Amino acid sequence: GQNIDQPTEMTATEGAIVQINCTYQTSGFNGLFWYQQHAGEAPTFLSYNVLDGLEEKGRFSSFLSRSKGYSYLLLKELQMKDSASYLCAVMDSNYQLIWGAGTKLIIKP
Amino acid sequence: DGGITQSPKYLFRKEGQNVTLSCEQNLNHDAMYWYRQDPGQGLRLIYYSQIVNDFQKGDIAEGYSVSREKKESFPLTVTSAQKNPTAFYLCASSIIAQGVGNEQFFGPGTRLTVL
Repeated sequence: GQNIDQPTEMTATEGAIVQINCTYQTSGFNGLFWYQQHAGEAPTFLSYNVLDGLEEKGRFSSFLSRSKGYSYLLLKELQMKDSASYLCAVMDSNYQLIWGAGTKLIIKP
Repeated sequence: DGGITQSPKYLFRKEGQNVTLSCEQNLNHDAMYWYRQDPGQGLRLIYYSQIVNDFQKGDIAEGYSVSREKKESFPLTVTSAQKNPTAFYLCASSIIAQGVGNEQFFGPGTRLTVL
């Protein structure tokens, strides 16, 4: 079966760095997405990786290792507004998105 | 402004009643999707449409129905056959359905509560 695993919840301090991991087992691979979702709101796109390596976009970076079925989202200089759930999703061989349950990130002052 | 709208934000229905959730997009996207989000679970695909007048079942289509008569609109009906309809429903769209790197844009969601 297809499976996406991410930690349920993480806590970090304002101004610090946090890494959210995602491991996957899917039927085929056409890229990995990270979305941010504030409580009760729509998910918003953060990043897309299809090749191995690090993609940097401002305070957020995303890494992919296809051989290990592994990705992480790195958030730097954490701000209170970064408190949200972070969703990992993999596009399978049928171009369908398989979603993880999300990681709730709590930022403390 | 381009985007996706869903209405209403909150919806309450009695058990046994059918209810239709609205989804409209003005992004000129071909593909549209309906997901269901439950606590502690990933988004689950209900139905998707790649083009007008065509739609496909997702992983949990039982008890739901859709139509795609216009490119901009993809309403979802939650029927009385759906055993556990209380959930947060998200509509999304993308430029095309089958494309690498094809991000999906989401509407604000409808929280349906069946009493």
